Amino acid sequence: EAQVTQNPRYLITVTGKKLTVTCSQNMNHEYMSWYRQDPGLGLRQIYYSMNVEVTDKGDVPEGYKVSRKEKRNFPLILESPSPNQTSLYFCASSLRRDSGTYEQYFGPGTRLTVT
Amino acid sequence: QKEVEQDPGPLSVPEGAIVSLNCTYSNSAFQYFMWYRQYSRKGPELLMYTYSSGNKEDGRFTAQVDKSSKYISLFIRDSQPSDSATYLCAMSAGGNKLVFGAGTILRVKS
Repeated sequence: EAQVTQNPRYLITVTGKKLTVTCSQNMNHEYMSWYRQDPGLGLRQIYYSMNVEVTDKGDVPEGYKVSRKEKRNFPLILESPSPNQTSLYFCASSLRRDSGTYEQYFGPGTRLTVT
Repeated sequence: QKEVEQDPGPLSVPEGAIVSLNCTYSNSAFQYFMWYRQYSRKGPELLMYTYSSGNKEDGRFTAQVDKSSKYISLFIRDSQPSDSATYLCAMSAGGNKLVFGAGTILRVKS
């Protein structure tokens, strides 16, 4: 089954304790992204990756890091989490259409609470 | 002002009603318009995709784009309780960058 998986699905942590949220896709997509979803703000892109070893900042990259060492994996790293990073996080992988846009497939989400 | 505006609702309708969901936008460079459906505790899933202006129909769903007014709509005919979800509009000028609306919560009562 074609899918994007994320782990963990739920995480409660304390300020300053480094954490990693994993993301993996089995569709051989080149493009992957991380989003956070907050009430009233919708989905905002944190980082994206066009291919292995190629990453770039999205709209809200502060406080986050990513890496893309393999095509299928795109982990999100919070080196020193703060309460304002409490949010619902989604990983997505993208299929490029002939028309030039990208069709995004989302993972199930990771709900992160930082106390 | 946000690039994409979407009424958060909630919008509550009886089963069988026609539902109209809308978004407005300010960036005239947007050419690709999408609607995503998000069930509770799930990730968004692509529902409809439209390039430039016009209509697109898929079963009970119709997407409309009016670029002159910077306005897009999603119509759901014969709405069902299973349509209850949050509907997100998303737009792109091309490439991998999508700009999302905040989402409209839809509740269809049986």
